[in-house]
Amino acid sequence: NAGVTQTPKFQVLKTGQSMTLQCAQDMNHEYMSWYRQDPGMGLRLIHYSVGAGITDQGEVPNGYNVSRSTTEDFPLRLLSAAPSQTSVYFCASSRPPPGNTIYFGEGSWLTVV
Amino acid sequence: SQELEQSPQSLIVQEGKNLTINCTSSKTLYGLYWYKQKYGEGLIFLMMLQKGGEEKSHEKITAKLDEKKQQSSLHITASQPSHAGIYLCGADIQGAQKLVFGQGTRLTINP
Repeated sequence: NAGVTQTPKFQVLKTGQSMTLQCAQDMNHEYMSWYRQDPGMGLRLIHYSVGAGITDQGEVPNGYNVSRSTTEDFPLRLLSAAPSQTSVYFCASSRPPPGNTIYFGEGSWLTVV
Repeated sequence: SQELEQSPQSLIVQEGKNLTINCTSSKTLYGLYWYKQKYGEGLIFLMMLQKGGEEKSHEKITAKLDEKKQQSSLHITASQPSHAGIYLCGADIQGAQKLVFGQGTRLTINP
């Protein structure tokens, strides 16, 4: 069972570079989301989607873009990386509310130098 | 998040002792999720509570939701080294499964 798969697991970027963090789930979940985890701040929601073609901003969306062309995939794009985007990124998926388990991927460690 | 306070931030207990971690929301909880994270790894789902007064258990871990207090507690009985890690509570405060998280509790178990 693959669950929620994130790639890459580790990445080092230079300031100003762009990249895409990939997220795929094989559970046919409608809801998908991206969080970032920073020391002392817990996880914060970046963007989320309730289905293909539908996305919305979370708490900290600036500097990130998303799209949802298929149910399975929810990529997160950094357009021009900044050191403030150094973080651990987690993708999550679930069935619609109420009361469904939210599954998380294993994380992507991003360092921007 | 200021909407969700988790305590304590760090906890060191002797193996075999019981412990409790608390999570308090400033808003009505539509759902409260507990996860465990080991350093450098992803989030492992433990339990989800939805109804006031609800209590769930898995092995030696019990979670309760007190809807009136907008608070949840996670209790570990007879702690073991395998319980060590970071425990995170995530709250659904909109009913949309967009979670706000506490800062986490780092649990260390001493032999």
